[in-house]
Amino acid sequence: KNQVEQSPQSLIILEGKNCTLQCNYTVSPFSNLRWYKQDTGRGPVSLTIMTFSENTKSNGRYTATLDADTKQSSLHITASQLSDSASYICVVSAGGGSYIPTFGRGTSLIVHP
Amino acid sequence: GAVVSQHPSWVICKSGTSVKIECRSLDFQATTMFWYRQFPKQSLMLMATSNEGSKATYEQGVEKDKFLINHASLTLSTLTVTSAHPEDSSFYICSARDFGELFSPLHFGNGTRLTVT
Repeated sequence: KNQVEQSPQSLIILEGKNCTLQCNYTVSPFSNLRWYKQDTGRGPVSLTIMTFSENTKSNGRYTATLDADTKQSSLHITASQLSDSASYICVVSAGGGSYIPTFGRGTSLIVHP
Repeated sequence: GAVVSQHPSWVICKSGTSVKIECRSLDFQATTMFWYRQFPKQSLMLMATSNEGSKATYEQGVEKDKFLINHASLTLSTLTVTSAHPEDSSFYICSARDFGELFSPLHFGNGTRLTVT
């Protein structure tokens, strides 16, 4: 069964600090992995996409990594801002033409001033 | 970029009535759309996959007769919550993927907050 596990479930950090969110998956065959940011009461928005051959990808203060061998991904947030407070969801899409996505439960991040 | 419009953004209805939620892809065609339900401080839960021109595929535990899905065109899917009850109160979100774009992300609507009184 395809599964995506995220940790931690929730995280509280001070503004300006860095943090790293984890995502482990068992989706097979693997197509791609995306990190989404969901602000409260809004739909999720894609931050980064990682395909099989990619190890690291950055989008501003967000850096995602992928280890396809261990089936792990991380999202690193640098110099956090209050606006980073949101839920971060890891979504892994299966290959084979279906691209059916499997969602993680998300990590709730709260950035305090 | 690709945009998915969801309407209404919030609705309050009385118990026993039905509510229709629309999900439109504005600048791309979506043969497949997804409907989710989200309770406070919880992750998205996939309810069903909406397929243009055919029946929706429901996840285990989701009542297809209660949550009616219609995907009559390549840009519109609707979710109708029939005979709503207070326990149906939730945040409903749709998403669509532009299959014309390789590795297209899921484009999400901004959700519909349903409150059943």
